[in-house]
Amino acid sequence: QQPVQSPQAVILREGEDAVINCSSSKALYSVHWYRQKHGEAPIFLMILLKGGEQKGHDKISASFNEKKQQSSLYLTASQLSYSGTYFCGTLDLTGNQFYFGTGTSLTVIP
Amino acid sequence: EAGVTQFPSHSVIEKGQTVTLRCDPISGHDNLYWYRRVMGKEIKFLLHFVKESKQDESGMPNNRFLAERTGGTYSTLKVQPAELEDSGVYFCASSHRTGFVDEQYFGPGTRLTVT
Repeated sequence: QQPVQSPQAVILREGEDAVINCSSSKALYSVHWYRQKHGEAPIFLMILLKGGEQKGHDKISASFNEKKQQSSLYLTASQLSYSGTYFCGTLDLTGNQFYFGTGTSLTVIP
Repeated sequence: EAGVTQFPSHSVIEKGQTVTLRCDPISGHDNLYWYRRVMGKEIKFLLHFVKESKQDESGMPNNRFLAERTGGTYSTLKVQPAELEDSGVYFCASSHRTGFVDEQYFGPGTRLTVT
């Protein structure tokens, strides 16, 4: 039931790009992305809805392939402030079950 | 607009004791969620309230955990008796769901340490 994220951890230098994947075994209606910095609450990034959506703001974007039940988060030209743990959250077709993914720790170094 | 608040921010108790965590959601948010993050690992879903009703409590680990939401406002999560493995950060989130769009706002969390 819990979505699986990959990679588990990644270290980038400033300016490099990263892709974080989220894969579910269940059919999904929506995928949510959150970022959590150490010691802080998770912060909402974006929602992608059924229909093969793509979204983005600034240098962070995401796609949702409902047929594959997968979503990817793209971080381009990473900044130090991007460091944290990224979680996807998935909502199933009933709209009743929401689960967070396994998490991806991202560290951006100068 | 005030965000989600949680109380206390940190609690240290001994094994066997009882602890009650409180969450005040954003005003007007019918949906309230409890999550737990243990040892920096993934965020585990505990349960979901819609107003005062438990929509889904499939994530509650065992009957030592009891969640209530009085009148559909604030919620409490009681752990009785606490065990060592209950240590972790307990997050509460609330949302105003519009169809299948459920943007959850998280509280700062309560760090529970059971010794």
